[in-house]
Amino acid sequence: NAGVTQTPKFQVLKTGQSMTLQCAQDMNHNSMYWYRQDPGMGLRLIYYSASEGTTDKGEVPNGYNVSRLNKREFSLRLESAAPSQTSVYFCASNLGSNQPQHFGDGTRLSIL
Amino acid sequence: EDQVTQSPEALRLQEGESSSLNCSYTVSGLRGLFWYRQDPGKGPEFLFTLYSAGEEKEKERLKATLTKKESFLHITAPKPEDSATYLCAVQASTGANNLFFGTGTRLTVIP
Repeated sequence: NAGVTQTPKFQVLKTGQSMTLQCAQDMNHNSMYWYRQDPGMGLRLIYYSASEGTTDKGEVPNGYNVSRLNKREFSLRLESAAPSQTSVYFCASNLGSNQPQHFGDGTRLSIL
Repeated sequence: EDQVTQSPEALRLQEGESSSLNCSYTVSGLRGLFWYRQDPGKGPEFLFTLYSAGEEKEKERLKATLTKKESFLHITAPKPEDSATYLCAVQASTGANNLFFGTGTRLTVIP
């Protein structure tokens, strides 16, 4: 029972490089989310997709783009990585409003 | 502005020593309050959802309660395996379907 799977688990990039973080869920959930977690701060929403075919900005969307590829998959792209984007990135999914979100184990991204 | 404040930041307990974690929130209409547990190197693991003041939920040694301004996570007779960071998050009744998270309470239970 995989739940939410994120790849890769770790990545080191140089400033200016691009990268796509992958997320897939096998729970038939409608909504998917991307958060970042930084020391001393709560998880902050980057982008979300309420349903297949829709995406919306969250609290900290600058420097990121997303694609809801299908109901299962939701990717996060950094077009030109910056050191300020060094963080742990979590993908989550849920059935919809009011329902608990279920998280993957994160991608630890360092940008030099 | 929606806001979640958790206290204390860190808590050390002896095995068997009961205590409570606090989550104070300000939100424009509460749709739900969620408690998660996070182990090092892992994603948050869902524990409870509370929807209205007066509601309580229990799971093993954990009990979550909710008032109009705060939630408590009570830990009864904790064991070392309860050591983790506990996160509180709220969902507002207006706007997007996302959660606003607190910064967490890091709990250490000493054998």
